[in-house]
Amino acid sequence: AQSVSQHNHHVILSEAASLELGCNYSYGGTVNLFWYVQYPGQHLQLLLKYFSGDPLVKGIKGFEAEFIKSKFSFNLRKPSVQWSDTAEYFCAVKNGNTGKLIFGQGTTLQVKP
Amino acid sequence: KAGVTQTPRYLIKTRGQQVTLSCSPISGHRSVSWYQQTPGQGLQFLFEYFSETQRNKGNFPGRFSGRQFSNSRSEMNVSTLELGDSALYLCASSLGSLAGNNEQFFGPGTRLTVL
Repeated sequence: AQSVSQHNHHVILSEAASLELGCNYSYGGTVNLFWYVQYPGQHLQLLLKYFSGDPLVKGIKGFEAEFIKSKFSFNLRKPSVQWSDTAEYFCAVKNGNTGKLIFGQGTTLQVKP
Repeated sequence: KAGVTQTPRYLIKTRGQQVTLSCSPISGHRSVSWYQQTPGQGLQFLFEYFSETQRNKGNFPGRFSGRQFSNSRSEMNVSTLELGDSALYLCASSLGSLAGNNEQFFGPGTRLTVL
């Protein structure tokens, strides 16, 4: 069965530190890839998405992610985090044939000022 | 443009009861998907409706059902509630079916507590 794994469940960083959140999936067919963010008290918002083309995808608020097909990975990065990046981050993979969207367990990021 | 709206925002029910949750998608969006979010299981896909037809279904028992109306509004029903159904139920809408390259926009969710 298709699955998505986020390696880090809870990450604590100081402001200006660099961020990398891991995401791996287990489906060999066509996939669409997403990172969503859920700020405290707010609803899920799309950070970035990959459908096709350039595997390095840039999203909102300075986030980017790289799709590495051979590693089944779609890691999220940000060079310098801010306190306002404190949130829960979800990686999601959509089966390109069925459209079914599978989410990872989420990573809670806490940024200390 | 108004976002995805869900009603009610909070709901408390007792075991054995049934519940209906409502979702109004963004204007023009024809696909509505439902998700269950719990601390233990995370976000799990329930089903997708597109043009009043169920297009996709997750691994949930038949107690969970849904429907979509001609104006794209959707309802989700859970019958014979169990304690484990306590969760945040999220609705997401997109212009086209999930099978296409369509971005989903999420609503704020309905927090269901089963006592």
